[in-house]
Parts: sequence; structure tokens; C-alpha cells
Amino acid sequence: DQQVKQNSPSLSVQEGRISILNCDYTNSMFDYFLWYKKYPAEGPTFLISISSIKDKNEDGRFTVFLNKSAKHLSLHIVPSQPGDSAVYFCAASVIQGAQKLVFGQGTRLTINP
Amino acid sequence: SAVISQKPSRDICQRGTSLTIQCQVDSQVTMMFWYRQQPGQSLTLIATANQGSEATYESGFVIDKFPISRPNLTFSTLTVSNMSPEDSSIYLCSVVGVAPVGYEQYFGPGTRLTVT
Repeated sequence: DQQVKQNSPSLSVQEGRISILNCDYTNSMFDYFLWYKKYPAEGPTFLISISSIKDKNEDGRFTVFLNKSAKHLSLHIVPSQPGDSAVYFCAASVIQGAQKLVFGQGTRLTINP
Repeated sequence: SAVISQKPSRDICQRGTSLTIQCQVDSQVTMMFWYRQQPGQSLTLIATANQGSEATYESGFVIDKFPISRPNLTFSTLTVSNMSPEDSSIYLCSVVGVAPVGYEQYFGPGTRLTVT
């Protein structure tokens, strides 16, 4: 039972263009969503999060959009830079619950010069 | 955010042996977790490390296989017992950010375990 799904295992984007990574979830109890970036041989790095009371959160080049009715969130990176090449994981949790994270399978983003 | 360190960073172990992984945080945190990332897979929660009480394990993970200690608010250990090649994974500890940061979890660098 995959509660958080990232259906695209990989994505290739040209430098300077927009990268859009998608994530779907099935558990309506989730009320907090996060995006992490992971390089090989390192732990995941927190990027940006969004509470279910919002539909958008922006931090520099990163914007996360949440569509609760569709149980869908997306991460936009603009402009994309070569250093953005990594595996991106979305994750979900219940704030008032155990706060444990449920992760998607990850999307490998490659930024081409 | 908290600074998290893990020891060892990597190890190669023989089947049937045990390995204890340490997680140290530079500030007191309420919640600590242990995750596993098997090769080519996503991160899966093993357990919540509770300070002063037994850890809370997720389905599929048991205390005899993955005993966890958390003696204080800055330190925890995870032991992988009686290892088999299927235990080859990256093991990561994480902590919940302290307000006003919010509810984000921050991860240590991970311990890469190979069981031969």
C-alpha cells in the first residue's frame, strides 16, 4: 500500500528552464508535506514544506503547490541549475500524530547544461 | 536546523554479526527516528526512538532485530542484529525540527552497511 507516490522515476530538464516534480498521496489524514533532495552517499536535505491549510509555499527558486482535492503536490524549481541534479523525495506526515514521514519512491532529476 | 552526526559512516560486516550505529544531535530534540533505505528504494521508517522508554516499531520491524536505545535527548543507537545480506542498506537517523522551524525532519548523513 503505497500511500505516497512519485510516478516519474526520472526527469531531465535543460539548465535555466523550469523543473516540475509531482507527487500523489492517498491518505487524507496527511496534513503536512515535505520535499527532500538527496545526493549519493548523503542524507536527505530538507528543501521546502507545506501545511494542508495552504495551497502554495515559496522559498527562493523552490515553490510547492498543494491540491488537496486531487491529493496532489508538486515542486517547481525555476530556474533549474546543474547543482539541482539529485534524487527528490516527497514525504507526508500527520502533524498531530506520530509525525513519522511516509516517503515516495523518489524522482531522479538531471539538469543538462 | 540541528546538526546530526552518525557513526560509523559505513561498514562491511559478515552475516550473523551485529552492528551498532550511533546518532548524535547538537541540541536537545523531542523526537528521533530511524529509517532504512535499501538499494534503489525509498526511505522506510524503522522505529521512533523514545527517550526513557521502549522504541515504537513500524510494521515489519521488531525489537529483537533492531534494538534501539535513547538514553537522553541528544543521542540514540540502532543495532542491526544477526545480520544477513538483506540488511545491506543505508540507515539514517532523523530529528524533528524545533519551533519556530516547524515540523520538518532533519536527517543525519547515514550509515552505509554492507553485509557479506
